[in-house]
Amino acid sequence: AQSVTQLDSHVSVSEGTPVLLRCNYSSSYSPSLFWYVQHPNKGLQLLLKYTSAATLVKGINGFEAEFKKSETSFHLTKPSAHMSDAAEYFCVVRNAGNNRKLIWGLGTSLAVNP
Amino acid sequence: ETGVTQTPRHLVMGMTNKKSLKCEQHLGHNAMYWYKQSAKKPLELMFVYNFKEQTENNSVPSRFSPECPNSSHLFLHLHTLQPEDSALYLCASSQLKVGDTEAFFGQGTRLTVV
Repeated sequence: AQSVTQLDSHVSVSEGTPVLLRCNYSSSYSPSLFWYVQHPNKGLQLLLKYTSAATLVKGINGFEAEFKKSETSFHLTKPSAHMSDAAEYFCVVRNAGNNRKLIWGLGTSLAVNP
Repeated sequence: ETGVTQTPRHLVMGMTNKKSLKCEQHLGHNAMYWYKQSAKKPLELMFVYNFKEQTENNSVPSRFSPECPNSSHLFLHLHTLQPEDSALYLCASSQLKVGDTEAFFGQGTRLTVV
């Protein structure tokens, strides 16, 4: 069975400092992995996705994530936080087989302090 | 602008009312989805439509009734809802094909049942 765990429900950083949002997954097959962002009163926007190509994936707004199979992790990082990065972030896993359901994490709320 | 438009953005309805949520996608996708987003819970997939045919109903109560007249439009008809149905309802679309494609989300309808 597939599952995804976001290890922190809330992360707070100072503007200009690095961001790390942690995600661990379990999957019986080669997974596809996604990070989505949701700003207040907005819909979900895809940040980046991993689909069995390069293990280091670059996304929008300076975010990137590294797929580590040995650690079953897909942590999201950004070198320098900006105030506009304050939002809810969701890690998502999808089976590469016939079952194409998206399994969502509970989300991590990122606060950026001036 | 993500190409998926939901109306209304906010809706307050009584438990005896009947209302409908509308979703329209301008991306040429062939699959559309309804999700329910509640606080402290993972995103819940409610319904899936592929080429206008419902392919998935995740044990959703009958007081929620979806309708997909064509591949660009999706409705969610609501009647005799309960207060616990208050949530953000998100519509998404994607292009089903071999390989992985991400879902594009609308901004959601914030529903409050009083």
